[in-house]
Amino acid sequence: GAVVSQHPSWVICKSGTSVKIECRSLDFQATTMFWYRQFPKQSLMLMATSNEGSKATYEQGVEKDKFLINHASLTLSTLTVTSAHPEDSSFYICSAMLGYEQYFGPGTRLTVT
Amino acid sequence: AQKVTQAQTEISVVEKEDVTLDCVYETRDTTYYLFWYKQPPSGELVFLIRRNSFDEQNEISGRYSWNFQKSTSSFNFTITASQVVDSAVYFCALSEALDNYGQNFVFGPGTRLSVLP
Repeated sequence: GAVVSQHPSWVICKSGTSVKIECRSLDFQATTMFWYRQFPKQSLMLMATSNEGSKATYEQGVEKDKFLINHASLTLSTLTVTSAHPEDSSFYICSAMLGYEQYFGPGTRLTVT
Repeated sequence: AQKVTQAQTEISVVEKEDVTLDCVYETRDTTYYLFWYKQPPSGELVFLIRRNSFDEQNEISGRYSWNFQKSTSSFNFTITASQVVDSAVYFCALSEALDNYGQNFVFGPGTRLSVLP
């Protein structure tokens, strides 16, 4: 089946630094990928839709200058959390579209100290 | 604004029982998508189904079935003959744009299903 990977699986960084999270579709090409975040024991929130070769579409309330998304190839999308703060600590999940189905990565747990 | 309600916070059933997870949505749009996702204890999400607002046919996939009723703004999910592996948090979600998944996408709070052996 279709596989999506994320790297790193977890990361700890200091407040004020930037962190890049990679999302790769391993065995298929994805023109569309999505980025979500999930707070502990809470529901999910879609952050943005990442389209290969064009700008990401951000959901309302998501700071596009803080959460930079780049979808430079059909198999890779990256999310960069810039100038991270403790409130950015969360579980970040990506998914990739294949047809009308979505395949999810295992998630990246970000802790900002 | 759009909203998704999953009134059942937690459900426990015994293996082989049927269980229905409720999802009620609110939207002013006439065109929208509805989704169900599963998040097992491992944390990795699984896409289960997408239904557009123009297709009210019920769907069955193995032990899973979905009942979409626009009249009551509900998109309920039934698991027949539940199994321990069905234990997970299930999320219902709504997207208000047909052309772009990324517009006004909202998740429900989730229902935690525990299937006991």
